[in-house]
Amino acid sequence: DVKVTQSSRYLVKRTGEKVFLECVQDMDHENMFWYRQDPGLGLRLIYFSYDVKMKEKGDIPEGYSVSREKKERFSLILESASTNQTSMYLCASSPLGARLAEAFFGQGTRLTVV
Amino acid sequence: QQPVQSPQAVILREGEDAVINCSSSKALYSVHWYRQKHGEAPVFLMILLKGGEQKGHEKISASFNEKKQQSSLYLTASQLSYSGTYFCGTGSGSARQLTFGSGTQLTVLP
Repeated sequence: DVKVTQSSRYLVKRTGEKVFLECVQDMDHENMFWYRQDPGLGLRLIYFSYDVKMKEKGDIPEGYSVSREKKERFSLILESASTNQTSMYLCASSPLGARLAEAFFGQGTRLTVV
Repeated sequence: QQPVQSPQAVILREGEDAVINCSSSKALYSVHWYRQKHGEAPVFLMILLKGGEQKGHEKISASFNEKKQQSSLYLTASQLSYSGTYFCGTGSGSARQLTFGSGTQLTVLP
């Protein structure tokens, strides 16, 4: 089975901290995504990557950056965490041609910024 | 730009039918449907592709109206296990990006 693993289920960070959310997939997928999930707003795309060192902004990239140094790992970085970044963060991966293929999601990281 | 889902929430009794709609302002190449149970990751249900090809599983079906850029998910004879939040995801423009709607919370009561 495809597995997408996020490093933490729950995180509590202080305002202004630099925060790293890690995601690893084991199926050699080209595409990886970071979504933010908030009540009533659904899943909003922050960034995605279609190859090592390649990235594209999604719908809400402000305040975030990403890193993909290896194919299996995609990191989301909050440069200076703020309380409005408190949310559930979901990582996903899919084979090449995301619009044609099933995406596999991780369990999510619930981040609280205090 | 996120696709728009309706209704936002629906409550039904076991055995009843439900329809969830998804529409986009962009020309669509594909529509994905996922279900997320509370505290779990979203799980793939099916993809509908431009041109009519359809994939799926379980006893849930869907349609894709390319001209109207809309998709509908049909749940017939609902089971308790159908409860969860349903998301549609749309692929358009870039082949790599998958954009999801705000979700429809479905509750099936015994």
